Amino acid sequence: GAGVSQSPSNKVTEKGKDVELRCDPISGHTALYWYRQRLGQGLEFLIYFQGNSAPDKSGLPSDRFSAERTGESVSTLTIQRTQQEDSAVYLCASSLPLLYGYTFGSGTRLTVV
Amino acid sequence: AQSVAQPEDQVNVAEGNPLTVKCTYSVSGNPYLFWYVQYPNRGLQFLLKYITGDNLVKGSYGFEAEFNKSQTSFHLKKPSALVSDSALYFCAVRPNQAGTALIFGKGTTLSVSS
Repeated sequence: GAGVSQSPSNKVTEKGKDVELRCDPISGHTALYWYRQRLGQGLEFLIYFQGNSAPDKSGLPSDRFSAERTGESVSTLTIQRTQQEDSAVYLCASSLPLLYGYTFGSGTRLTVV
Repeated sequence: AQSVAQPEDQVNVAEGNPLTVKCTYSVSGNPYLFWYVQYPNRGLQFLLKYITGDNLVKGSYGFEAEFNKSQTSFHLKKPSALVSDSALYFCAVRPNQAGTALIFGKGTTLSVSS
């Protein structure tokens, strides 16, 4: 597609529920990244995909967080048993492997109540 | 640990005045450096990057940044600020290693008054 698409744009969930966030990267971009942006804070790295594998998942904050990517395309970030501290904007970005900048999606704003 | 610091949470300038948003970094090797801008309720947009070559790089919307290796800095500048430049600015660094993600600073809010 023309840009990185994320869905849903907004998600309100009850504490303890599971949520899935979706990212559709730019076609042909083999690298995909997830970041989290809490209110008033910077971007926190979560996980990086090269193709369908994740060579760096060091930023996932707990085992409640997981992500997968299929077909070197769509990625899903899953948060199990959501907590209030999970409330944030979750940003996805993609890039070509040897290209240095990212293209970001508009993010999913997750609110856990 | 590799990191990026943006020492100012907020920068206030008057329209027409020059602006500087500061960034320093700590990474091993020769870094790739970036600036991104985030307008309210919108995603991050790429402004400019330094990979190699001339230390002064020019980017979108009249912004430029100067790479200073000895001071490990990459400050964002613009000669004449516009009210429409008001936004959140992020400095980011990518260690010169294949397969590494960008490390972002905490962001600096730029407020340009008319």
